[in-house]
Amino acid sequence: GDSVTQMEGPVTLSEEAFLTINCTYTATGYPSLFWYVQYPGEGLQLLLKATKADDKGSNKGFEATYRKETTSFHLEKGSVQVSDSAVYFCALSLPYNQGGKLIFGQGTELSVKP
Amino acid sequence: NAGVTQTPKFQVLKTGQSMTLQCAQDMNHNSMYWYRQDPGMGLRLIYYSASEGTTDKGEVPNGYNVSRLNKREFSLRLESAAPSQTSVYFCASSSQGGGLGYTFGSGTRLTVV
Repeated sequence: GDSVTQMEGPVTLSEEAFLTINCTYTATGYPSLFWYVQYPGEGLQLLLKATKADDKGSNKGFEATYRKETTSFHLEKGSVQVSDSAVYFCALSLPYNQGGKLIFGQGTELSVKP
Repeated sequence: NAGVTQTPKFQVLKTGQSMTLQCAQDMNHNSMYWYRQDPGMGLRLIYYSASEGTTDKGEVPNGYNVSRLNKREFSLRLESAAPSQTSVYFCASSSQGGGLGYTFGSGTRLTVV
């Protein structure tokens, strides 16, 4: 079935370090792909998305490219800040005729130290 | 402010008690969803409503019921709460079946003792 797999956390980095969080997916057809972020005690916020192969989503210095050949959507940021500490979720969406459901990975906790 | 509103934010129940979690959105979205979040397991879909008047089971529907009261409101009911239902519950909505992403509420933290 459709699924999303993320690298396990927690990930601990120093401020200004380079960030990569790996995400791979299994899906029938051509899903849209998303990264959501959850700050402590809050709900999920959409960080970025890509709707077709080779699209690059970007927001707040984060980027991810939809790679159909490797079924991946890795999240990257060139220089992380303490304020980026949060849990990051990779997700894919199923077609509307399947309810348009979002399927999430298990989440990756990021902790950035000053 | 436009968005998804969930009530209550916190709740403690005794085993066997019942309660209803409320969710309302004011973005004129067609689809609404209920997820539960447990440590190390991401978010798992409980029930969803692709459009007003329809509801369908998700990945973990046992022990829950839902009602799509109208286009704005989608409630989740626990008829007889169990400790395994201790979790954080999130409601979400989307306009095009999720293809443009979801908007999430701030969550309800439920503890069943």
